[in-house]
Amino acid sequence: DAKTTQPPSMDCAEGRAANLPCNHSTISGNEYVYWYRQIHSQGPQYIIHGLKNNETNEMASLIITEDRKSSTLILPHATLRDTAVYYCIVRVDSGGSNYKLTFGKGTLLTVNP
Amino acid sequence: GAVVSQHPSRVICKSGTSVKIECRSLDFQATTMFWYRQFPKQSLMLMATSNEGSKATYEQGVEKDKFLINHASLTLSTLTVTSAHPEDSSFYICSARGPGQGGYGYTFGSGTRLTVV
Repeated sequence: DAKTTQPPSMDCAEGRAANLPCNHSTISGNEYVYWYRQIHSQGPQYIIHGLKNNETNEMASLIITEDRKSSTLILPHATLRDTAVYYCIVRVDSGGSNYKLTFGKGTLLTVNP
Repeated sequence: GAVVSQHPSRVICKSGTSVKIECRSLDFQATTMFWYRQFPKQSLMLMATSNEGSKATYEQGVEKDKFLINHASLTLSTLTVTSAHPEDSSFYICSARGPGQGGYGYTFGSGTRLTVV
């Protein structure tokens, strides 16, 4: 799986959009970008994933650059409950159950009142 | 949505004793389960992958005789930390995946905080 690079920490004001960047310059054509987050002392929570098109769901939007070498997770209106470590993971969507998720260091997003 | 239940959420045990952690998929059949360990201020580290009915595959550096994994049914996997020592104190998290869950189908448990005294 391709390696990802994320800033170690970011701050965001409550109610504002949080934009979390992720670099994955060695991504292959069949690798998806996944985002998970982990609130303190809990298990990771799936947020969103995409291949090349921008994606949006009830939690967030995922913007992937045309060359697919980087992406941005957008939380449109951050709340204090969004304070968490956000992980960007790149992997092949083989559909096979054995395919493991490898976590990097992630970005600690702190939403301030 | 898919739910994974992990039990207990916290456990304190004496050094030298064994501790069992359970991971259950509540509303889907988990053909594969993953066990992670997380030390304070660090990321999740994969320990092992288990498929229902077969032996677990351990990551390099993880002692299989110390961390016993059993995946006897499609809804239950257990991790037993044998002869626990203080350095085994950590946050243990399971993840489950089953057929039909699609590319994002990794559902995580809420984790178990193990403290060995």
